[in-house]
Amino acid sequence: DTGVSQDPRHKITKRGQNVTFRCDPISEHNRLYWYRQTLGQGPEFLTYFQNEAQLEKSRLLSDRFSAERPKGSFSTLEIQRTEQGDSAMYLCASSLERGGLSNQPQHFGDGTRLSIL
Amino acid sequence: AQKVTQAQTEISVVEKEDVTLDCVYETRDTTYYLFWYKQPPSGELVFLIRRNSFDEQNEISGRYSWNFQKSTSSFNFTITASQVVDSAVYFCALSEAGRGSTLGRLYFGRGTQLTVWP
Repeated sequence: DTGVSQDPRHKITKRGQNVTFRCDPISEHNRLYWYRQTLGQGPEFLTYFQNEAQLEKSRLLSDRFSAERPKGSFSTLEIQRTEQGDSAMYLCASSLERGGLSNQPQHFGDGTRLSIL
Repeated sequence: AQKVTQAQTEISVVEKEDVTLDCVYETRDTTYYLFWYKQPPSGELVFLIRRNSFDEQNEISGRYSWNFQKSTSSFNFTITASQVVDSAVYFCALSEAGRGSTLGRLYFGRGTQLTVWP
């Protein structure tokens, strides 16, 4: 079990640029979640996938944000035309759900810290 | 409205003291799950415990114990004989499982920064 892996760990970019983050979940985990965490706050839900299907997006996920999980394995989160308010830690988590209402624990990666200049 | 409230922003204790972290939640669902996560300075969220709404039995794991009380909508976390390595931000989280809920979506509190001094 290698854990959830996120890349890069840190990203510094100028306002207006596009950025893309990658998340590799624990192998065989069918659920993948993206959260955003700002300083002094708890993580906030952005979106989640069940296999390759994106099942829900938060209102926090504006049109500039897009997430994919094309083969039901790794996922990417892209932010277009970045703004200073996008500066945050972006966390990815995965879990293995076998159906029903079990809500298995989510295992988190180390996150990608985004800084917008 | 905040679904999970952690009223204690920061707590400082001296090593070997016991410390309790408070968590109060709010939900209309009858089926839900409660979690505690630890976030050390390195940043990774570490899962500690999950409880479902039908199981109010308290749990003890080593120096950690959890007190779940539906009557007061609370899920408090106690560390006994605290150690310096316990220093971290601790998050309480709620996941709802009722109709219309996003299964698995976690609502986090704002966290409690615990500092244990030697």
